[in-house]
Parts: sequence; structure tokens; C-alpha cells
Amino acid sequence: DAGVIQSPRHEVTEMGQEVTLRCKPISGHNSLFWYRQTMMRGLELLIYFNNNVPIDDSGMPEDRFSAKMPNASFSTLKIQPSEPRDSAVYFCASSLPPSDTQYFGPGTRLTVL
Amino acid sequence: KQEVTQIPAALSVPEGENLVLNCSFTDSAIYNLQWFRQDPGKGLTSLLLIQSSQREQTSGRLNASLDKSSGRSTLYIAASQPGDSATYLCAVNKDDKIIFGKGTRLHILP
Repeated sequence: DAGVIQSPRHEVTEMGQEVTLRCKPISGHNSLFWYRQTMMRGLELLIYFNNNVPIDDSGMPEDRFSAKMPNASFSTLKIQPSEPRDSAVYFCASSLPPSDTQYFGPGTRLTVL
Repeated sequence: KQEVTQIPAALSVPEGENLVLNCSFTDSAIYNLQWFRQDPGKGLTSLLLIQSSQREQTSGRLNASLDKSSGRSTLYIAASQPGDSATYLCAVNKDDKIIFGKGTRLHILP
């Protein structure tokens, strides 16, 4: 299996621009998680989906952030408009209940100038 | 509010030594606890997952223990190797809310 796939691996953009991060979970996994990692705050759960339905988005920092999962094999995290404080590494992870083991993608390093 | 703390933030030990990494959490009503490894510039790799009803899990040279009543977990690494150098994070799961510690950065000295 290819594991969790994220794209792009690196993204540099200017403040105010729209950013879209993409994730392909492991085939057959029906839970998908989006995380953000910074030096100051560590790793934070933003949102997670189960069977393509958002279950908990309480970690989404503000309305500028949105996430979708149109089908079982694809999810996006969008930031519009982006701000410098959004600079972080964004991880996607998937799992297959009843196992709670999460499998992480390599992350997208976002830099907002 | 659940808080997860990992102390120390960084640790250096000579190769071959056994070592213990610590994780503490404030709310003992957790569903499970997981230990991860993160290499620089990479994603997280799950090492061990302990359900709330379990006391420990073992995988090779790794042993993780869980004491819910005291809000503590430890990750024991036996016979450490330079390849064990990485950041180790613990994460607790309660009501599908997963809270991570900030990790312990481990450096094994050759």
C-alpha cells in the first residue's frame, strides 16, 4: 500500500491567497484526520471525518479554514484567505475502526509570506 | 480540558542504554493512549496503542505502560540504538478528541 498521500509537500504563498491541501487516505480506511503542527502549539487536531462525514470540527481555528471529503479516497483542507500565522506543517492521517491506530501522511509544509 | 505533558523535552543517552520516556495527562477518563515516533521532516509513525482497559503493550524493544489512575504512561526503550533518535509523542483519545503532547526529542549517542 502507498500509505497516506498528501500534496503538495511544500507550499509557499502570499498572504491573502487561497491555499488547498490534498489528502488521499489508505484504501479502505474510513476515518480521516487533519492536523496542524507548529513549534509553539505542537500537533493539533483540526477536524476528522468518518465515512466522509465531518464528525468534529471544533479544532478548526476559524472560518477561513474549511475541509471537505467528497468521497472515500479524497479530502481537501482549504484556507481562504491565508495569513502568515497559518504557516505550519499540515498532516493528514487515516484509520480503520475498530483499530484506533492512525497512519500519517508525510505532511504539507505551508509557508505564508 | 485535557492536557498532555511530556518531560523531558529533550534527552541524550549513550548507545546501548535502556531509557524511559514519560507522558502525563490531566483527565484519566481516556479511551486509549498512543505512542508515536516522528523523524525530522517526516510524518508520525504509530509505535504502540494501549486501550484504557490495558496496562501495557510491547513491540520488540519497546514497552509502553499505562496507569490511568495516576494519569501517566511510560515508553521504555531497551538497548537503545542510534536509529532510535527521533521525537517521541504520546497522544490520548477521549470522546474522539485526540490530544498530543509536544514530544520528547531523543538523541542516542554512538
